[in-house]
Amino acid sequence: DQQVKQNSPSLSVQEGRISILNCDYTNSMFDYFLWYKKYPAEGPTFLISISSIKDKNEDGRFTVFLNKSAKHLSLHIVPSQPGDSAVYFCAGSGAGSYQLTFGKGTKLSVIP
Amino acid sequence: GAGVSQSPSNKVTEKGKDVELRCDPISGHTALYWYRQSLGQGLEFLIYFQGNSAPDKSGLPSDRFSAERTGGSVSTLTIQRTQQEDSAVYLCASSSLGQLNTEAFFGQGTRLTVV
Repeated sequence: DQQVKQNSPSLSVQEGRISILNCDYTNSMFDYFLWYKKYPAEGPTFLISISSIKDKNEDGRFTVFLNKSAKHLSLHIVPSQPGDSAVYFCAGSGAGSYQLTFGKGTKLSVIP
Repeated sequence: GAGVSQSPSNKVTEKGKDVELRCDPISGHTALYWYRQSLGQGLEFLIYFQGNSAPDKSGLPSDRFSAERTGGSVSTLTIQRTQQEDSAVYLCASSSLGQLNTEAFFGQGTRLTVV
């Protein structure tokens, strides 16, 4: 049972345009969500997070939106840069939980 | 070191052999996690250590898998009688005590190939 789903395994975007990565979750106990970025041969690195008490969190070019009623979140990157090309993982955790449940990832390719 | 360090970075082993994977967390981080990523899959939780508390082993896929953490720092993940389905990238992460729901810092992983 996949509790966190990233239905698009890959996404290609032109440099300068907006990248939108989507994530759906089924566990209603999740109250905190994180996005990680992973380059080949490296471990994932934390990108941005959002608490369930918010519906938006912005950090520079990265914005995460949360729609709790739809159990959906999305990561917007604008403008997209070639260095953003990586695999992006969405993760959720429950209240006070240490266990992160990850999706399968979306491979983003930003084309110069 | 400044980050989470894992060794070896790559390991090829024969089916049926035992392997040990090592993780050095960030200094001062009391929480340590092991995850694995199989081909085409997401990151699968394996085990969690927090200070001196009993570890959460709920993610270990079979009794061939075990992990320990000595002195609250270095951790070793042991896989006995390896099988081909154990082939994956094994990732270790650490985070600070008392910062639940904060980001975990990952190492670069150990790529295990069972032939």
